[in-house]
Amino acid sequence: SQQGEEDPQALSIQEGENATMNCSYKTSINNLQWYRQNSGRGLVHLILIRSNEREKHSGRLRVTLDTSKKSSSLLITASRAADTASYFCAPPSYGKLTFGQGTILTVHP
Amino acid sequence: SQTIHQWPATLVQPVGSPLSLECTVEGTSNPNLYWYRQAAGRGLQLLFYSVGIGQISSEVPQNLSASRPQDRQFILSSKKLLLSDSGFYLCAWSLGSTNEQFFGPGTRLTVL
Repeated sequence: SQQGEEDPQALSIQEGENATMNCSYKTSINNLQWYRQNSGRGLVHLILIRSNEREKHSGRLRVTLDTSKKSSSLLITASRAADTASYFCAPPSYGKLTFGQGTILTVHP
Repeated sequence: SQTIHQWPATLVQPVGSPLSLECTVEGTSNPNLYWYRQAAGRGLQLLFYSVGIGQISSEVPQNLSASRPQDRQFILSSKKLLLSDSGFYLCAWSLGSTNEQFFGPGTRLTVL
């Protein structure tokens, strides 16, 4: 089944810098979601972007979707140490969400 | 507001012992329910999902089973645990199959 693939696998930045994570998927979708997971916790939904949207904002988050390239990106601006977490994209496949391996983001204070 | 509960939070079990993990949802009706497993440092693997009472779909063949005895209760079970069953088990719910999912706090299972 389809799976979102995040890139890079790990990202280490300084507080205040921007963090960009990418996601590629294989087949046509009607929406794509991004989730965050703090260590040892459940996932938390961040944002959903629909196939007819190219960009969406939520606070310091900016998500883009390029359906022609089957890719999405998540930008976190002015990162904080509290943003340290794993980030997953979740494209749907056969009526279910699929999760990749995620990007581990570490923000150093 | 909706909440989702999972218990226990942590569990250490010997190989060959049975397993029962419970997940309950409050504040919504007719949710889709999901069980995921996450190995250390890995992504989520969908194990089971349910669109209604008594309706269970299995995603991968394995040593586990799931049941949904009530609308907002989802149970993950095993008759005999294997070492490979160790992992972090997450329950989630959604309204609609490709809508936002809400996750529980998870159960850390260690099989020794």
